[in-house]
Amino acid sequence: AQSVSQHNHHVILSEAASLELGCNYSYGGTVNLFWYVQYPGQHLQLLLKYFSGDPLVKGIKGFEAEFIKSKFSFNLRKPSVQWSDTAEYFCAVDPYNAGNNRKLIWGLGTSLAVNP
Amino acid sequence: DVKVTQSSRYLVKRTGEKVFLECVQDMDHENMFWYRQDPGLGLRLIYFSYDVKMKEKGDIPEGYSVSREKKERFSLILESASTNQTSMYLCASSPPASGSYEQYFGPGTRLTVT
Repeated sequence: AQSVSQHNHHVILSEAASLELGCNYSYGGTVNLFWYVQYPGQHLQLLLKYFSGDPLVKGIKGFEAEFIKSKFSFNLRKPSVQWSDTAEYFCAVDPYNAGNNRKLIWGLGTSLAVNP
Repeated sequence: DVKVTQSSRYLVKRTGEKVFLECVQDMDHENMFWYRQDPGLGLRLIYFSYDVKMKEKGDIPEGYSVSREKKERFSLILESASTNQTSMYLCASSPPASGSYEQYFGPGTRLTVT
């Protein structure tokens, strides 16, 4: 079965530290990839997405992610985190099935706490 | 600006009650989704709909039903609420697969069943 694995369930960092959150998926075909973020008390929102082209994609608030097809990975990075980055981060994969009713496959999420 | 609204942010119901959660989107999206979000379990898909009156079961449909009579509205129904349905419920919508079909989420409804 298709699945998405986020390696870190809880991450604690100090401000200005670098961040990398891992995401791996199990599907051999074409994929579209997403990172979503949920700030405390707020709704889930898109952080960045990869559909095609340059495998290094940039999102909002200084985040970026790199798609490495050979490793089935889409890791999220930020060179210097801020306290306001405290949130839950979800990786999601669309396995590009045919048809109009696409569902995303979601990772379990990573809770990031940034200490000031 | 894209908007998905949910009828309640917080809801408290008693065991056995019938519960309706409403979701409305103003983006003319074909696809709509209901998830529940529980700590450590991520987002689990309950049902989704890709057109009016069309629905498909997600990963955890047991104990739930849905209704989509109009394109903009997707309702989740708990026929007889149970305590294990206490959760955060998220509604989302997306355009058809031919477009940029990222999902847009509502603020969620935190349901407590006592």
